[in-house]
Amino acid sequence: GQNIDQPTEMTATEGAIVQINCTYQTSGFNGLFWYQQHAGEAPTFLSYNVLDGLEEKGRFSSFLSRSKGYSYLLLKELQMKDSASYLCAAPSGGYNKLIFGAGTRLAVHP
Amino acid sequence: GAGVSQSPRYKVTKRGQDVALRCDPISGHVSLYWYRQALGQGPEFLTYFNYEAQQDKSGLPNDRFSAERPEGSISTLTIQRTEQRDSAMYRCASSLAGGDEAYNEQFFGPGTRLTVL
Repeated sequence: GQNIDQPTEMTATEGAIVQINCTYQTSGFNGLFWYQQHAGEAPTFLSYNVLDGLEEKGRFSSFLSRSKGYSYLLLKELQMKDSASYLCAAPSGGYNKLIFGAGTRLAVHP
Repeated sequence: GAGVSQSPRYKVTKRGQDVALRCDPISGHVSLYWYRQALGQGPEFLTYFNYEAQQDKSGLPNDRFSAERPEGSISTLTIQRTEQRDSAMYRCASSLAGGDEAYNEQFFGPGTRLTVL
């Protein structure tokens, strides 16, 4: 079956760096997604990793280790607007059925 | 078009009533997905369509839930004989590609907040 684990809450200071971890167990592997969801809003796509290593996209980077079933999202130069939930998700079977973790609520404070 | 749209945005109904939730995907998007999201949780997969064909309905909780997409565009999620435990945010998403072999970025709609009294 599918299982995705991530911390429930994290806090960080404006301007700092934060790493949000995700461990997953999937039947087959078709990549790992990260989504951002601000309170009261829809999730929005951040990144997709299918190969091992680090993918950098501006202030956000995502890392994947398939052998360890592990991913992390790295947020640099934190801004107050980065306060949101960060959702780790993996496809089940093909690419269309996404299984989401419960999300990590990040609070950025001055 | 602009983004994924859903209607109504809020729906309050009495237990035992039927409700129909509508999703209008991004124009040209082949795949359409329905999720349910409880407060403080990630979206929970319900079902998805490629064009008008329902490809996977394994996440529908029971036979009171059904979905259709008759013309391959707008979709309706119907819940019959609603129960209080059906109260949740129901989100729709769409993606451009239709195949099951390639990565699809899913674009989510604003959701319908359903409250069953």
